[in-house]
Amino acid sequence: KAGVTQTPRYLIKTRGQQVTLSCSPISGHRSVSWYQQTPGQGLQFLFEYFSETQRNKGNFPGRFSGRQFSNSRSEMNVSTLELGDSALYLCASSFTRDYGYTFGSGTRLTVV
Amino acid sequence: SQKIEQNSEALNIQEGKTATLTCNYTNYSPAYLQWYRQDPGRGPVFLLLIRENEKEKRKERLKVTFDTTLKQSLFHITASQPADSATYLCALVSSSGTYKYIFGTGTRLKVLA
Repeated sequence: KAGVTQTPRYLIKTRGQQVTLSCSPISGHRSVSWYQQTPGQGLQFLFEYFSETQRNKGNFPGRFSGRQFSNSRSEMNVSTLELGDSALYLCASSFTRDYGYTFGSGTRLTVV
Repeated sequence: SQKIEQNSEALNIQEGKTATLTCNYTNYSPAYLQWYRQDPGRGPVFLLLIRENEKEKRKERLKVTFDTTLKQSLFHITASQPADSATYLCALVSSSGTYKYIFGTGTRLKVLA
């Protein structure tokens, strides 16, 4: 079966711009979570969606937002980009919380 | 504050030996703990999950132990191979409150041929 698909794989944006990243979870997985990964901080939790509802949120500013659609696909948006937002953004889906995540390959965002 | 510690230094071992990676945590009561493998430029891959009431879990050459008294998990790879070289992450999940995952920063393992 298809894995978690994230698009685009790479993105270069300018400070102040906004960006939207997309994630298609594994079929049947209703839980989708987003993480930011940087060399210094590791994997930092952004938010979790389940059945179109945000179930959890990490400690990120309001510039980071997300949503989930009825087909479980999810998007995250970052507005007013800052240089520090450069990172690998990972999406992960799971069937239930008791099972491990299946991660996508990520979107590498570079802010210049 | 909640904290997970994994050995940030790289671990180099000879092929065929057993690699042992450590995950320590504080101020946390996880319901379960997971281990992931991550290769450069890729997302983590789920390996094993162990619950708080389990002491040990095995899968092929992998073994995980979980000691809630010591607040520690050990991850073992027996008969290690160069293909096992990667970064290994532990993640804790609490069933109380907001059910968030917290990941460690990972330990880089290199298996030398």
